[in-house]
Order: sequence, then structure tokens, then C-alpha cells
Amino acid sequence: EDKVVQSPLSLVVHEGDTVTLNCSYEVTNFRSLLWYKQEKKAPTFLFMLTSSGIEKKSGRLSSILDKKELFSILNITATQTGDSAIYLCAVAASSGSRLTFGEGTQLTVNP
Amino acid sequence: ETGVTQTPRHLVMGMTNKKSLKCEQHLGHNAMYWYKQSAKKPLELMFVYSLEERVENNSVPSRFSPECPNSSHLFLHLHTLQPEDSALYLCASSQDLSASTQYFGPGTRLTVL
Repeated sequence: EDKVVQSPLSLVVHEGDTVTLNCSYEVTNFRSLLWYKQEKKAPTFLFMLTSSGIEKKSGRLSSILDKKELFSILNITATQTGDSAIYLCAVAASSGSRLTFGEGTQLTVNP
Repeated sequence: ETGVTQTPRHLVMGMTNKKSLKCEQHLGHNAMYWYKQSAKKPLELMFVYSLEERVENNSVPSRFSPECPNSSHLFLHLHTLQPEDSALYLCASSQDLSASTQYFGPGTRLTVL
């Protein structure tokens, strides 16, 4: 059974801090790993990672995948209160359409 | 705005009611999904449709009945639900089944009394 574990489950920081969110996975026939940000309702897509060692970057957010050790990290630098959200990690297998999600990390950024 | 809309946004229903959730995507995608999100649990995949055909039914109780009349619309018909079915129900779409990236709607917050 495919499995995704995220840590920490919750995190409280101050504006300006840098945070690192972790995602480890076990999946048969790995195809890709995705990060989503969920504020209030709809998860919004952040990154899709398929290759090890290649950093994806978008503004203050960046992510990297390690397919040997089966994990990914999501970094957020110079955090802002608007970064407060649940960050979801999901993995897709090459067989079928299923995305397996982790529980998410609840990030709270205080002013 | 992700191009996926859901109605209603909030729904309160009794255990004997029948109601339907609606999802519409304006992205020209061919695959659509229903997920259930309960507190402190990972997103659970319920149903997958590709070109209006159901391709996955993840052991969901029969009190949840999906319908996909065309590739842009997806419904979830609800009847005789239980209080433990209270959750956020999210619809998503992707270009096709081989595409990893799914785009989510805002969800329907369902409360079953």
C-alpha cells in the first residue's frame, strides 16, 4: 500500500523565519511527487517533482526530491503571514490515476 | 481561481435527506475526481472518471453515488448519510489520467445531522 508521511504535522514560526517541511514516501512504481498549499478550502498546486536533485523554485518557495532516500523537502524563506496554510504532499504512481496524500503540515506564521 | 467550481459551498443535511454536490471544470480536462477530506486525516480518493467513464471506485459506500454526464461536469448524489460522513468534499480535474497534476475546486463543507 502506498504511503506518504509528512513532518512536522504542525509548525508555528515568526515572520521572516525560514521553514523546511518534510515528506517521505513509499510507493510502487513512483512517477512524481506533488506539493499543494491549502488555505481555507481548495488545495492549490505548487510543484511537481519527478527527478532527483533538481530544485524547483517559485519565489520564496523551493522544493527538491531525493528518489534514493524517498523524500522531498519544501523550503519557504522569509516567511510571511500569508504563507499560513496546510501544505500537502502527494505521490503519483505510474500505474493508474491515484494520488496518495500525506496528512499535511499546518504552518502558522505569526507577525 | 483554479478553473474548477463546486456548489454548494456549504451543506447541512439530515440523515434521511437526498442532496447532490456539483462540480464543473472549465479547463478542458478529461479526468475528474471526488475526494473526501476529514479532520486530521489525509485526503481520501473516492471516485475517478475519465471521459465520463468511472475508472476507480475506492470502496466507497453506496450511499454516495457519482454521476458524470459529460467531461466538464461531475455530481455526487448523497442519500441516507451518517454523521461520520461530515467532511469537506473536494472535486479535482486533470488533463487526463496520465497527468499527475490535479486542480482542485473549493470544496463543499458537508455536515450531516
